[in-house]
Amino acid sequence: GAGVSQTPSNKVTEKGKYVELRCDPISGHTALYWYRQSLGQGPEFLIYFQGTGAADDSGLPNDRFFAVRPEGSVSTLKIQRTERGDSAVYLCASSLSITDTQYFGPGTRLTVL
Amino acid sequence: AQTVTQSQPEMSVQEAETVTLSCTYDTSENNYYLFWYKQPPSRQMILVIRQEAYKQQNATENRFSVNFQKAAKSFSLKISDSQLGDTAMYFCAFTANAGGTSYGKLTFGQGTILTVHP
Repeated sequence: GAGVSQTPSNKVTEKGKYVELRCDPISGHTALYWYRQSLGQGPEFLIYFQGTGAADDSGLPNDRFFAVRPEGSVSTLKIQRTERGDSAVYLCASSLSITDTQYFGPGTRLTVL
Repeated sequence: AQTVTQSQPEMSVQEAETVTLSCTYDTSENNYYLFWYKQPPSRQMILVIRQEAYKQQNATENRFSVNFQKAAKSFSLKISDSQLGDTAMYFCAFTANAGGTSYGKLTFGQGTILTVHP
Protein backbone atom coordinates (compact mmCIF):
# COMPACT_ATOMS: atom_id res chain seq x y z
CA GLY A 1 0.00 0.00 0.00
CA ALA A 2 0.96 3.66 -0.20
CA GLY A 3 3.43 4.94 2.34
CA VAL A 4 3.67 8.31 4.00
CA SER A 5 3.95 11.10 1.46
CA GLN A 6 5.22 14.63 1.94
CA THR A 7 4.98 17.67 -0.29
CA PRO A 8 6.88 19.51 -1.49
CA SER A 9 10.06 17.46 -1.53
CA ASN A 10 12.11 20.64 -1.58
CA LYS A 11 11.18 24.19 -0.64
CA VAL A 12 13.35 27.26 -1.01
CA THR A 13 12.12 30.47 0.57
CA GLU A 14 13.40 33.82 1.68
CA LYS A 15 13.93 34.91 5.24
CA GLY A 16 10.71 36.29 6.72
CA LYS A 17 8.35 34.35 4.46
CA TYR A 18 5.61 31.92 5.50
CA VAL A 19 5.75 28.24 4.48
CA GLU A 20 3.46 25.24 4.73
CA LEU A 21 4.67 21.66 4.61
CA ARG A 22 2.18 18.87 4.01
CA CYS A 23 2.11 15.27 5.24
CA ASP A 24 -0.23 12.55 4.04
CA PRO A 25 -0.04 9.57 6.42
CA ILE A 26 -0.67 5.90 5.76
CA SER A 27 -4.41 5.29 5.56
CA GLY A 28 -5.87 4.26 8.90
CA HIS A 29 -2.94 5.49 10.99
CA THR A 30 -4.27 7.50 13.91
CA ALA A 31 -0.94 8.87 15.13
CA LEU A 32 1.10 11.37 13.12
CA TYR A 33 4.47 12.85 14.03
CA TRP A 34 6.68 15.70 12.83
CA TYR A 35 10.45 15.71 13.26
CA ARG A 36 13.19 18.10 12.15
CA GLN A 37 16.56 16.83 11.00
CA SER A 38 19.54 19.14 10.67
CA LEU A 39 22.45 18.12 8.47
CA GLY A 40 24.41 15.22 9.93
CA GLN A 41 22.16 14.91 12.98
CA GLY A 42 19.42 12.60 14.16
CA PRO A 43 15.80 13.74 13.81
CA GLU A 44 14.39 15.83 16.65
CA PHE A 45 10.78 15.56 17.72
CA LEU A 46 8.51 18.53 17.09
CA ILE A 47 4.89 17.50 17.63
CA TYR A 48 2.58 14.54 17.40
CA PHE A 49 -1.14 14.10 16.86
CA GLN A 50 -3.49 11.43 18.10
CA GLY A 51 -6.44 11.85 15.75
CA THR A 52 -7.15 15.55 15.26
CA GLY A 53 -5.62 16.81 18.48
CA ALA A 54 -2.01 17.63 19.23
CA ALA A 55 -1.09 15.18 22.01
CA ASP A 56 2.39 16.59 22.56
CA ASP A 57 3.79 19.78 21.03
CA SER A 58 6.71 20.12 23.43
CA GLY A 59 9.26 19.97 20.61
CA LEU A 60 8.06 23.03 18.71
CA PRO A 61 10.96 25.51 19.04
CA ASN A 62 8.86 28.68 19.31
CA ASP A 63 5.51 30.20 18.44
CA ARG A 64 6.48 30.67 14.78
CA PHE A 65 5.85 26.94 14.35
CA PHE A 66 2.35 25.54 14.26
CA ALA A 67 0.79 22.30 12.99
CA VAL A 68 -2.76 21.17 12.31
CA ARG A 69 -4.54 17.96 11.45
CA PRO A 70 -8.17 19.08 11.08
CA GLU A 71 -9.73 15.83 9.85
CA GLY A 72 -7.40 13.36 11.52
CA SER A 73 -5.58 12.47 8.32
CA VAL A 74 -3.46 15.01 6.42
CA SER A 75 -1.34 17.34 8.52
CA THR A 76 0.24 20.68 7.71
CA LEU A 77 3.25 22.14 9.47
CA LYS A 78 3.25 25.92 9.25
CA ILE A 79 6.25 28.16 9.82
CA GLN A 80 5.83 31.92 10.04
CA ARG A 81 8.56 34.54 9.54
CA THR A 82 11.10 31.91 8.52
CA GLU A 83 14.69 32.28 9.66
CA ARG A 84 17.87 30.82 8.18
CA GLY A 85 18.14 28.56 11.22
CA ASP A 86 14.89 26.88 10.19
CA SER A 87 16.69 25.29 7.23
CA ALA A 88 16.52 21.51 7.70
CA VAL A 89 14.74 18.39 6.51
CA TYR A 90 11.27 18.09 8.01
CA LEU A 91 10.19 14.48 8.42
CA CYS A 92 6.69 13.19 8.96
CA ALA A 93 5.84 9.75 10.30
CA SER A 94 2.65 7.88 11.09
CA SER A 95 1.69 4.81 13.09
CA LEU A 96 -1.43 2.76 13.82
CA SER A 97 -1.24 3.82 17.44
CA ILE A 98 1.34 5.49 19.66
CA THR A 99 2.86 2.13 20.63
CA ASP A 100 3.23 0.91 17.06
CA THR A 101 6.18 1.35 14.75
CA GLN A 102 6.46 4.75 13.09
CA TYR A 103 6.77 4.79 9.31
CA PHE A 104 8.47 7.80 7.80
CA GLY A 105 7.91 9.86 4.71
CA PRO A 106 10.74 11.04 2.43
CA GLY A 107 10.87 14.44 4.09
CA THR A 108 10.75 18.03 2.88
CA ARG A 109 14.07 19.84 2.59
CA LEU A 110 13.49 23.47 3.59
CA THR A 111 16.10 26.04 2.67
CA VAL A 112 15.73 29.59 3.96
CA LEU A 113 17.89 32.09 2.10
CA ALA B 1 14.82 12.97 30.08
CA GLN B 2 15.66 10.17 27.73
CA THR B 3 18.96 10.20 25.85
CA VAL B 4 20.35 7.94 23.14
CA THR B 5 24.07 7.84 22.39
CA GLN B 6 25.80 6.40 19.37
CA SER B 7 29.53 6.64 19.96
CA GLN B 8 30.67 5.64 16.47
CA PRO B 9 30.27 8.51 13.98
CA GLU B 10 31.53 6.33 11.11
CA MET B 11 32.12 2.65 10.46
CA SER B 12 33.23 0.71 7.44
CA VAL B 13 33.11 -2.96 6.53
CA GLN B 14 33.98 -5.17 3.59
CA GLU B 15 31.19 -6.75 1.63
CA ALA B 16 30.11 -10.13 3.13
CA GLU B 17 31.71 -9.32 6.48
CA THR B 18 29.96 -8.66 9.80
CA VAL B 19 29.78 -5.30 11.54
CA THR B 20 28.33 -4.17 14.87
CA LEU B 21 26.97 -0.70 15.56
CA SER B 22 26.78 0.48 19.17
CA CYS B 23 23.99 2.30 21.00
CA THR B 24 23.45 3.14 24.64
CA TYR B 25 20.46 4.88 26.17
CA ASP B 26 19.37 6.36 29.44
CA THR B 27 15.85 6.26 30.81
CA SER B 28 13.92 5.89 34.04
CA GLU B 29 11.08 4.13 32.26
CA ASN B 30 10.61 0.38 32.62
CA ASN B 31 8.47 -0.25 29.55
CA TYR B 32 9.86 1.01 26.30
CA TYR B 33 10.77 0.16 22.72
CA LEU B 34 14.06 0.42 20.91
CA PHE B 35 14.58 0.70 17.17
CA TRP B 36 17.24 0.79 14.54
CA TYR B 37 16.41 2.87 11.49
CA LYS B 38 18.42 3.13 8.28
CA GLN B 39 18.60 6.34 6.26
CA PRO B 40 20.24 6.05 2.83
CA PRO B 41 21.15 9.15 0.79
CA SER B 42 17.60 9.17 -0.55
CA ARG B 43 16.65 10.49 2.91
CA GLN B 44 13.90 7.90 3.47
CA MET B 45 14.03 6.60 7.05
CA ILE B 46 13.51 2.82 6.94
CA LEU B 47 12.86 0.59 9.94
CA VAL B 48 15.50 -2.11 10.31
CA ILE B 49 14.53 -3.79 13.56
CA ARG B 50 12.44 -3.25 16.71
CA GLN B 51 12.87 -4.55 20.26
CA GLU B 52 10.36 -4.47 23.12
CA ALA B 53 12.09 -3.94 26.46
CA TYR B 54 9.97 -6.56 28.21
CA LYS B 55 11.18 -9.27 25.83
CA GLN B 56 14.40 -10.98 26.86
CA GLN B 57 14.91 -12.57 23.48
CA ASN B 58 16.95 -10.49 21.06
CA ALA B 59 15.11 -9.43 17.92
CA THR B 60 16.27 -10.76 14.55
CA GLU B 61 15.35 -9.78 11.00
CA ASN B 62 17.19 -11.79 8.38
CA ARG B 63 20.79 -10.50 8.36
CA PHE B 64 20.09 -7.99 11.14
CA SER B 65 20.10 -8.86 14.82
CA VAL B 66 20.42 -6.95 18.07
CA ASN B 67 22.20 -7.52 21.34
CA PHE B 68 19.87 -6.02 23.93
CA GLN B 69 21.38 -5.67 27.40
CA LYS B 70 18.66 -4.06 29.54
CA ALA B 71 20.69 -3.72 32.73
CA ALA B 72 23.55 -2.08 30.86
CA LYS B 73 21.11 -0.02 28.75
CA SER B 74 22.86 -1.15 25.61
CA PHE B 75 21.30 -1.97 22.24
CA SER B 76 23.77 -2.86 19.50
CA LEU B 77 22.97 -3.83 15.92
CA LYS B 78 24.81 -6.63 14.15
CA ILE B 79 24.73 -6.78 10.37
CA SER B 80 25.87 -10.12 8.95
CA ASP B 81 26.94 -10.76 5.35
CA SER B 82 27.09 -7.01 4.68
CA GLN B 83 25.88 -5.87 1.28
CA LEU B 84 26.62 -2.73 -0.72
CA GLY B 85 22.99 -1.69 -0.25
CA ASP B 86 23.53 -1.55 3.51
CA THR B 87 25.55 1.65 3.04
CA ALA B 88 23.58 4.32 4.89
CA MET B 89 23.30 6.32 8.08
CA TYR B 90 21.97 4.17 10.92
CA PHE B 91 20.02 5.65 13.82
CA CYS B 92 19.22 4.08 17.15
CA ALA B 93 15.92 5.34 18.60
CA PHE B 94 13.88 4.99 21.78
CA THR B 95 10.26 5.49 22.78
CA ALA B 96 8.54 4.78 26.07
CA ASN B 97 5.46 2.60 26.24
CA ALA B 98 2.06 4.20 26.65
CA GLY B 99 1.63 5.54 30.15
CA GLY B 100 5.25 6.64 30.41
CA THR B 101 6.23 10.26 30.37
CA SER B 102 7.59 10.25 26.85
CA TYR B 103 5.32 7.86 25.00
CA GLY B 104 4.70 8.48 21.34
CA LYS B 105 7.74 10.47 20.36
CA LEU B 106 11.01 8.91 19.26
CA THR B 107 14.32 10.06 20.68
CA PHE B 108 17.14 9.45 18.21
CA GLY B 109 20.88 9.06 18.56
CA GLN B 110 23.33 11.07 16.50
CA GLY B 111 23.69 8.34 13.89
CA THR B 112 26.49 6.16 12.54
CA ILE B 113 27.52 6.38 8.89
CA LEU B 114 28.14 2.85 7.64
CA THR B 115 30.04 2.30 4.40
CA VAL B 116 30.21 -1.16 2.86
CA HIS B 117 33.20 -1.58 0.55
CA PRO B 118 33.25 -4.06 -2.36
